[in-house]
Parts: sequence; C-alpha cells; structure tokens
Amino acid sequence: DIQMTQSPSSLSASVGDRVTITCRASQAVPNSLAWYQQQPGNAPKLLLFSPSRLEAGVPSRFSGSGSGTDYTLTISGLQPEDFATYYCQQYYSTPWTFGQGTKVEIK
Amino acid sequence: QVQVEQWGAGLLKPAETLSLTCAVTGGSFSGYWWTWIRQTPRQGLEWIGEINHSGSTKYSPSFRSRVTMSVDTSKNQFSLNLTSLTAADTAIYYCARSKWQQPSSPKDYWGRGTLVTVSS
Repeated sequence: DIQMTQSPSSLSASVGDRVTITCRASQAVPNSLAWYQQQPGNAPKLLLFSPSRLEAGVPSRFSGSGSGTDYTLTISGLQPEDFATYYCQQYYSTPWTFGQGTKVEIK
Repeated sequence: QVQVEQWGAGLLKPAETLSLTCAVTGGSFSGYWWTWIRQTPRQGLEWIGEINHSGSTKYSPSFRSRVTMSVDTSKNQFSLNLTSLTAADTAIYYCARSKWQQPSSPKDYWGRGTLVTVSS
C-alpha cells in the first residue's frame, strides 16, 4: 500500500494568513493526488485534484502543487470557513489511501 | 446536481453483517464507479472498495474476505455488505462517486455518512 504522510498534523492560524500543508507519498503517485476539506459532522469535500486543478465552486484561494512523492496544499488568505481538517488522497494505485489529516485551528 | 443518499442499520452486534445502501439522483449512474469509504478516529479514512454500474468491483485487500458490493441499476442504487463485524468496524461509513468514469479518480459526490456502532 502507498502510505500518505501529511504535515503538520495540526496548525493554528489567523484569518488572512497563508497556510501550507504538505503530503508525502511513500512512492511516486504521478499527479494522482487529491485534497479534501472536512468540517465537523460532514463528509469530506473535494477541493483539488491532479493535483492543481480546482474543483468547481472551490474558491481560488485554494491551490495545489507538487509531483512525484511530494505535494502541497496552500490556502492564501485564510477565511473563517476554512477552519477544518484537510486530507490528501492518492488515486494512483489501489488501495486508494488517505493522509492522516491536518487540522487547521483558529489562533 | 448529483445527490447521494445513504441508509442502513446503525447499531449491530459482533459477528453480524453490516448492510448499507446508497441511492443516486440528479445525475448519471451508468459509467461511474461508486465507492465505499469509512472513517474512524484511529485509522482515519479507509477505502473499502468500489463498484461500477456493470457490477465490476475493486476491493481493498484489508476487507476483501468480508466485503460484498452490489448494484441495482434499475433503482440507481449500490450497496455494501460487510460480514463478521467486530468493535473495530465501528466507524462512519460513506458512499461516494468517482469523479471520472474510471476507478482511478478523486471522489466528488459524497453521502452524508452513516455511523455504524458494533457493540454487544
């Protein structure tokens, strides 16, 4: 199985901050990488895939980059509704696997 | 707008079988792969497997010996059966759609989730 490791596991930030979350795969997942946002009590919501393509309706302050084994999610100008947990997922090789999550909290 | 509604028993005993169903409305059912994922505090998000409209399946090796997925194209529904439950199967179970008409795909539409508790 491909292991997905996110860092940090949690972070504290203020509204307006720029936030970066990284995801490292145990082997290359050539651009087969997605990011999800999960609010408490809700299902995950797809934000980005491939890994820089924005899902329809997702604000442009979210961006993704990376290749090979290393990927990054950036939120430019954190908004109150962005405080949530974020997950990466590889869809290169079954079983599809997820990172352990990064919780973004209010400072 | 695609909507995925899910339902099934939420409280089960050890050794029993979990049965969940998802219904898809507002979009095409055929051609897509339909996925089951569960979430626990300990293991996080785990992919269980997926099925397409033709009944072809892909199962995670972690669940392969206990899982069966099925599809009812006449109702645009798909189902999950997981046997021999233990307390470790206590989780929120989600169904979701693969964004593209192939299994190697992010998941774009999700059900609300069903909390399944396994307890004697």
